Amino acid sequence: GENVEQHPSTLSVQEGDSAVIKCTYSDSASNYFPWYKQELGKRPQLIIDIRSNVGEKKDQRIAVTLNKTAKHFSLHITETQPEDSAVYFCAASISNNNDMRFGAGTRLTVKP
Amino acid sequence: GAGVSQSPSNKVTEKGKDVELRCDPISGHTALYWYRQSLGQGLEFLIYFQGNSAPDKSGLPSDRFSAERTGGSVSTLTIQRTQQEDSAVYLCASSQNQGFGETQYFGPGTRLLVL
Repeated sequence: GENVEQHPSTLSVQEGDSAVIKCTYSDSASNYFPWYKQELGKRPQLIIDIRSNVGEKKDQRIAVTLNKTAKHFSLHITETQPEDSAVYFCAASISNNNDMRFGAGTRLTVKP
Repeated sequence: GAGVSQSPSNKVTEKGKDVELRCDPISGHTALYWYRQSLGQGLEFLIYFQGNSAPDKSGLPSDRFSAERTGGSVSTLTIQRTQQEDSAVYLCASSQNQGFGETQYFGPGTRLLVL
């Protein structure tokens, strides 16, 4: 089955800097890659997703890139703000399967 | 509109007792998922329902865990003879249908503590 690895496990950046979180997946059939943000004590919330027919997607300060050949995808947050501090999870799934596998999470801390 | 809801929000039980967790998906969502999140850990897939059927039960950790869904809506996750290692947050999510990477929306979770 699918195996998703996420790095780093913790990331600390200064406000205004960029943050990059990387994930790799094992099943080449995976074609949907969402990213979730989970603030302390709250539920995971989708922040951005990408499907395998595109290589990059942007939404304001957040972007995700996908390299299907290398089987990795990354989350990029620019101009970080303290409210970006949270745990971020990547995931991968295969269409018509819905067996979504999550990475272990990255705890991002943005220092003011 | 209303999101995914779960009950109870918190549950404390004694080792060996059975517990039942409930999930109300977003109205009209046919796919429903259960995950477990241990303290400070990632999300562990447990089971997935498409309508009332569960095509994938591979994530259930043991035969003490079972889940059902009736009427294509509410789902219950039952843990029999609870153990301390069952302590975790149990998250439910739903998506509109089984399609090309459907977005899953999460409920607030049930925090289970087994003493």
